[in-house]
Order: sequence, then structure tokens, then C-alpha cells
Amino acid sequence: GESVGLHLPTLSVQEGDNSIINCAYSNSASDYFIWYKQESGKGPQFIIDIRSNMDKRQGQRVTVLLNKTVKHLSLQIAATQPGDSAVYFCAENKTGRRALTFGSGTRLQVQP
Amino acid sequence: DGGITQSPKYLFRKEGQNVTLSCEQNLNHDAMYWYRQDPGQGLRLIYYSQIVNDFQKGDIAEGYSVSREKKESFPLTVTSAQKNPTAFYLCASSIEQNTEAFFGQGTRLTVV
Repeated sequence: GESVGLHLPTLSVQEGDNSIINCAYSNSASDYFIWYKQESGKGPQFIIDIRSNMDKRQGQRVTVLLNKTVKHLSLQIAATQPGDSAVYFCAENKTGRRALTFGSGTRLQVQP
Repeated sequence: DGGITQSPKYLFRKEGQNVTLSCEQNLNHDAMYWYRQDPGQGLRLIYYSQIVNDFQKGDIAEGYSVSREKKESFPLTVTSAQKNPTAFYLCASSIEQNTEAFFGQGTRLTVV
């Protein structure tokens, strides 16, 4: 499929290593955050979300960290696998606002 | 099974023609969205709808139109007024605002 992110920042990791993808969000009033994974030519898939009353949330092999002081969000993927190769987007929203606002994305490349 | 379906997957249009992209969901979600994605960029909001018979402009609504006559359906028309319509179009829905949005698989529109 055709790539959806030709000029994105790229993180290259070895299979089995941990990956950390970072995101700086723009609105200090945002209270809901999501990470999405997008494979080439497909729609984004939900990975994990977090609300502003938390600073950490864990899922299966993934952890999201939220630092409201510096408006920073990170996604940690443990034991990265080739199937994790994709573009990752963070998205933010504020209660009462219309829709999610997306960041520009980071491409994760997993080397076997 | 439940989901959100976009059709067609690929669409070609001649300059000066209007074209309509289909989006259907059977998730019983109230909110639906249209985003546009260009290479190297995140998703930008075109239109959104919180409820049947209501919709609002997003950040880049010029040259686009929508309707929401049924809860399940939120078609997007790309008009000849859209100056640069070639892009990947993504439809999404959510049970309400400020919750996880589920995405379709996208329609890639190319103007020839």
C-alpha cells in the first residue's frame, strides 16, 4: 500500500528492544489523549488512551505516560516486534471541543 | 460484526467533477467525523457531526460538503471548488465526543 507519511520523523529499533515514541501536545486545556497506530494504506487503530487525571496507563506491551507540566505524551512499546512497524499518532481533545486533534506522526521501523 | 465502512477504497476523479465518498457505521455511534490526510502530515478535520441532521465545519471545510440524514451514514462530497482534492480521506465515529474514535480503512482520492 502507499505510504501515508513520506517525510515523518523515524525511529528505528531492533526487534526485541523497547521503543519510546514522544509527542508534544499543544493545548494545555486538553484532558483526553489517545495513541493510534496506522499501517500503510489503512485507517488508524486505537492503541491506548489516557485522561488528564492520570499520569500513566498500561496496556498489553504498551504504556502511555503523560506529563502535563511540559505538555508531553509518550508511548512505550515493550519487546518491539516487526508487526509494530507503522506510523504512530498522538491525538488530544478537551471536553466540550468538537473532535480529536492529531499530531504529525512518527514512523517506527523495527529491524529484524 | 460491528465497524465503520468506507467505500470505495480507491477513487479517481476528473478535474471539475464532484465526487461523493461513502461512510457507514453500525456501531450505533452518535458522533461521526471526516478527516483528510496528506503525506507527511497528521489528520486534519474536515467536518463533524454530533447527531443526526446536524453537522459542523472543521478546520479545512472549504470545497467539501456533508449530510447526516441517518445515524449510520455520513457521506462526504468533494466538490470542484476544492483546489487540491488528491488525498487520503478517513471517516471515523465515536459514541460521543471526547472518547475513542474508530476509523474506517480510508478512501484514496486521485484527481486525474
